Amino acid sequence: QQPVQSPQAVILREGEDAVINCSSSKALYSVHWYRQKHGEAPVFLMILLKGGEQKGHEKISASFNEKKQQSSLYLTASQLSYSGTYFCGTVYSGGGADGLTFGKGTHLIIQP
Amino acid sequence: GAGVSQSPSNKVTEKGKDVELRCDPISGHTALYWYRQSLGQGLEFLIYFQGNSAPDKSGLPSDRFSAERTGGSVSTLTIQRTQQEDSAVYLCASSSAGHGGSPLHFGNGTRLTVT
Repeated sequence: QQPVQSPQAVILREGEDAVINCSSSKALYSVHWYRQKHGEAPVFLMILLKGGEQKGHEKISASFNEKKQQSSLYLTASQLSYSGTYFCGTVYSGGGADGLTFGKGTHLIIQP
Repeated sequence: GAGVSQSPSNKVTEKGKDVELRCDPISGHTALYWYRQSLGQGLEFLIYFQGNSAPDKSGLPSDRFSAERTGGSVSTLTIQRTQQEDSAVYLCASSSAGHGGSPLHFGNGTRLTVT
């Protein structure tokens, strides 16, 4: 089961803020966030682990609500370079399949 | 240091032929993932290897798809009797730890076109 991302697309002006959401129907062990630009490979942004640990870049912030199995990525004072498709990926708690499953992505367009 | 290397970068094949795609992960990375990305679509999970554990094959779309990882390093994804719907970019990623506890580092992918 893949996580559900929202919104599907966002268009912003440079300097505006955006929030991208990721939700799962199953208990999560970790949530990953990646950004992919057209024709390029996805690039790591952030990992949020069960228990509160976070690993990622200083200018990126995100939250992980373990009870609701939800994560949000916060993009503040957006820059043109933030444009791309954002994917969340999830690993479920409780053993079983450990493969990281991605949502369908959120397309972010930043206009000058 | 070197990143994840995939070869070939592009592959054109005729319908019905078999293809092999190769992935060289970052040295020392124990976890290796294969994903498929069709044009304009998301990342479809195919298979996951972690150390010496049995791979998670739950994402393989049919029995025409198989993958192996030799010596805990290089991995090969094989597609038998290719179909036009197999056309996509196949991405490999590796990670220093399994169970999603560390970042995935992606290769640049192999673009497969089935004619």
